[in-house]
Amino acid sequence: EAEVAQSPRYKITEKSQAVAFWCDPISGHATLYWYRQILGQGPELLVQFQDESVVDDSQLPKDRFSAERLKGVDSTLKIQPAELGDSAMYLCASSFSTSGNEQFFGPGTRLTVL
Amino acid sequence: GEDVEQSLFLSVREGDSSVINCTYTDSSSTYLYWYKQEPGAGLQLLTYIFSNMDMKQDQRLTVLLNKKDKHLSLRIADTQTGDSAIYFCAEITPGEAGGYNKLIFGAGTRLAVHP
Repeated sequence: EAEVAQSPRYKITEKSQAVAFWCDPISGHATLYWYRQILGQGPELLVQFQDESVVDDSQLPKDRFSAERLKGVDSTLKIQPAELGDSAMYLCASSFSTSGNEQFFGPGTRLTVL
Repeated sequence: GEDVEQSLFLSVREGDSSVINCTYTDSSSTYLYWYKQEPGAGLQLLTYIFSNMDMKQDQRLTVLLNKKDKHLSLRIADTQTGDSAIYFCAEITPGEAGGYNKLIFGAGTRLAVHP
């Protein structure tokens, strides 16, 4: 069964360091999403790609976060420098349709910033 | 703005039915969703309902939609210990870019199933 892959599953870093997360969507899914889920809350969209283009990054803290999907397949989310408040689960999702009606999620990367 | 609200906790006895409730604000949402999240894991799409439907049944799961009150519920029949998880309600709403939609999630309802 096709799944969204993410790595690493867990990341511990110190504040002011740089971290990067990787996501490989389900094959054939043109739309890719990065969500942040703070403990005790629901996921919130950070950035949305259609193929290699960003179509929504209105909630991405652009002073420290960046995201790319250079070949329109896998994607990387980077934080530099990390802050204590960035501790959260970072979830990647993908959908076949641009309407995003069925989004499938990966297992997530749990980030802890010390 | 968009907002999705859920009760935070529900405890049921194994074999009983569970009902998880949700209210949403965007009356133009075309789809409403239920996701399940087990500890330390990602979100699993359980089921979704199109906005022109009142009810959808899928094995032990029944989704009821009241568009007038913007109320969505998920009923799990014969609840088992394996159903213990956090359940998220979500609505789909237009994103910042035209033609693209995004999901707005509630804070999740933690379901605890006890013997």
